[in-house]
Amino acid sequence: EAQVTQNPRYLITVTGKKLTVTCSQNMNHEYMSWYRQDPGLGLRQIYYSMNVEVTDKGDVPEGYKVSRKEKRNFPLILESPSPNQTSLYFCASSLAAQKAYEQYFGPGTRLTVT
Amino acid sequence: GQNIDQPTEMTATEGAIVQINCTYQTSGFNGLFWYQQHAGEAPTFLSYNVLDGLEEKGRFSSFLSRSKGYSYLLLKELQMKDSASYLCAVRPNAGKSTFGDGTTLTVKP
Repeated sequence: EAQVTQNPRYLITVTGKKLTVTCSQNMNHEYMSWYRQDPGLGLRQIYYSMNVEVTDKGDVPEGYKVSRKEKRNFPLILESPSPNQTSLYFCASSLAAQKAYEQYFGPGTRLTVT
Repeated sequence: GQNIDQPTEMTATEGAIVQINCTYQTSGFNGLFWYQQHAGEAPTFLSYNVLDGLEEKGRFSSFLSRSKGYSYLLLKELQMKDSASYLCAVRPNAGKSTFGDGTTLTVKP
C-alpha cells in the first residue's frame, strides 16, 4: 500500500531532551516536507527536500533540523525541544516538486514538550 | 511575504451546494491546491489548479483566477461526511507550500 508513515505517533517529552521523528514513504517520491499544525492555524512548513541531499527552510525552521540521506526517509530532529514546539506534526511527500503534484500526508505525530 | 485568506467557518445543509473562497497574495505561483482534513486526521488531496478556469472532479470543483489571486472550492450535493476543514494551499515556488488557516464546514441535516 502506498503510504507515508511517521513514528512515533504520540510523544511526551521534557524540555531539552533531543528527539527525532521519523518519516518514510514507499512511493519513490522526490519531494518531502515537514509541517506543524497548531489549533486554529493552518499548516506551516518547517523544512522541505527537493531530492536526496537537497533540503531547504520553510516558513518556521527555527529549532528544527532535517536530513535526507535516502530518498524514502526524511527525519525531523529537535535538538533541544522547548514547550513552544508542542504541536501536531505532519510529514508529506509528492512525486516531484518541479511540477504541481499533490502531497500525500502521513498520519501525524502529536508532540508535547513539558 | 505570503498571505492566504479563507473564511474561518461555514455552515450548510445536507444536499445543498457550498462555495468556499480563498484569496492569496504570494511572491510567486506554481499551483493552488485544496485539501480536506477531518478532525484528528491528516489532510487529503481534493483538487488543484495551475491554469485559470474550473476543474471538476465528481462532487467537487475548484476555480482559479490568477490575475485576481482568487480561488474557490465548490461542493455539490453535500453529505454529512463532508463536515471537515478545507485547506487552501499555494505553491509560490517549486519547494515551498503556504497554507491558509482552513475553513471549518459544518453540514447540518
